[in-house]
Amino acid sequence: DAKTTQPPSMDCAEGRAANLPCNHSTISGNEYVYWYRQIHSQGPQYIIHGLKNNETNEMASLIITEDRKSSTLILPHATLRDTAVYYCIVRVGNYGQNFVFGPGTRLSVLP
Amino acid sequence: GAVVSQHPSRVICKSGTSVKIECRSLDFQATTMFWYRQFPKKSLMLMATSNEGSKATYEQGVEKDKFLINHASLTLSTLTVTSAHPEDSSFYICSARPIRDDSGNTIYFGEGSWLTVV
Repeated sequence: DAKTTQPPSMDCAEGRAANLPCNHSTISGNEYVYWYRQIHSQGPQYIIHGLKNNETNEMASLIITEDRKSSTLILPHATLRDTAVYYCIVRVGNYGQNFVFGPGTRLSVLP
Repeated sequence: GAVVSQHPSRVICKSGTSVKIECRSLDFQATTMFWYRQFPKKSLMLMATSNEGSKATYEQGVEKDKFLINHASLTLSTLTVTSAHPEDSSFYICSARPIRDDSGNTIYFGEGSWLTVV
C-alpha cells in the first residue's frame, strides 16, 4: 500500500504557484520523498526528490517539514502544460526497490 | 536526464496472439527494470521486477506464464503478453534505475505502450 496521502485534485491559475501537499506521517528515517507526474497517456516523469533538506531544481521545489511527516511540491509559475497527476512516493533508497504509486493529485492549471 | 524508451507505443493485436513490448535504457545501464500496468483513470500497478540475467519477480496475482519478462542485457527488458485476450488491453509502462546513481536511486519511466486486443 502507498504510504502517502494526497488530495485527489487541485486547481491552480496559470502563472501562479502551485503548492501540492503530501502527508507521509509514517515515513522512516531512511526513506526518501519522491515526486513524479504523469501527463495524460504518458509515462511518469521524474520531478524531484529529497531526504531531509529542501530541494530545488529547474522544475520545482520540494519543501520537507522538520519532522519529515509531510512535504509540499511547489511549481513556482504553473503553466497549462503542468496539468497532470502528481504522485508523492516515499521509498527507501535501496537499489532494486520498486515504487508504489497511490492515486496522486490531479492538478488542473486553468487559463 | 536519463531516458527510457518503449516500443511499440501503440499496438493492436488479435485475440489469441502474443505481443512483445521492449523497454530500453538509452543512456544508462540498469540491472533492474520494473513493469507496470495502468487502467484508465487508475494509478500504476506494479506487475513484476525484472533483473538482468535472472528470473523476474512477479507481484501477487500476476501470471508469470502469461506475462513473460526477459532482461537479457543491462539496457533491454522485454514483456511478452502471451495468448492475449481483450481484458489484457491496457497501458503498460516500464521503468529503470541507473546502476550508477549517487542521488537516492531515482527511477526513470518509459513513455508507455498502449495494447489493444481485439
